[in-house]
Amino acid sequence: NAGVTQTPKFQVLKTGQSMTLQCAQDMNHEYMSWYRQDPGMGLRLIHYSVGAGITDQGEVPNGYNVSRSTTEDFPLRLLSAAPSQTSVYFCASSLLFQGDTQYFGPGTRLTVL
Amino acid sequence: GQQVMQIPQYQHVQEGEDFTTYCNSSTTLSNIQWYKQRPGGHPVFLIQLVKSGEVKKQKRLTFQFGEAKKNSSLHITATQTTDVGTYFCAGGFQKLVFGTGTRLLVSP
Repeated sequence: NAGVTQTPKFQVLKTGQSMTLQCAQDMNHEYMSWYRQDPGMGLRLIHYSVGAGITDQGEVPNGYNVSRSTTEDFPLRLLSAAPSQTSVYFCASSLLFQGDTQYFGPGTRLTVL
Repeated sequence: GQQVMQIPQYQHVQEGEDFTTYCNSSTTLSNIQWYKQRPGGHPVFLIQLVKSGEVKKQKRLTFQFGEAKKNSSLHITATQTTDVGTYFCAGGFQKLVFGTGTRLLVSP
């Protein structure tokens, strides 16, 4: 099992550009989540999904869109990148509920100039 | 909304010294999880505590959940260089809230 995979590992964007961060899991977990990690602020929940076709907002959803068409994939879209979105983004999956043990992907380090 | 704070934010110890990080929530938690993140890596689950006053041990690591289920601690006995990283607590059922983390540096 690959677990949770994320692409790309690194990305540099210019302000106003859009992009999609990819996330996939092969553990058949119903719950998937996106977090951003900033120095001194821990991990903050952006969006999460409780199953295919169902998504909900986390603590910091503005500027991000998600969709969940399959159990395996949960992409995160930045609609119009801003320097405040410079961060490390982690995708995670969990089995029983959103607050269950999180299995994290390796992360995407995003810089917005 | 729920807030989870950790102290200290950073600690530098000599190998062999003990280390403790404290986690405090603004609300009562149904459970508390602890994660470790190595430099440049991703968070990895260590343990979950559910019961009030619960204490669990993993080798040199001791985890405790407070009686009121609003605080928790992680204690490492005789640190090693392999303990370097950031330790996060996290709590919540519907939406997991992570603490701010404690970064541990261990000098040989």
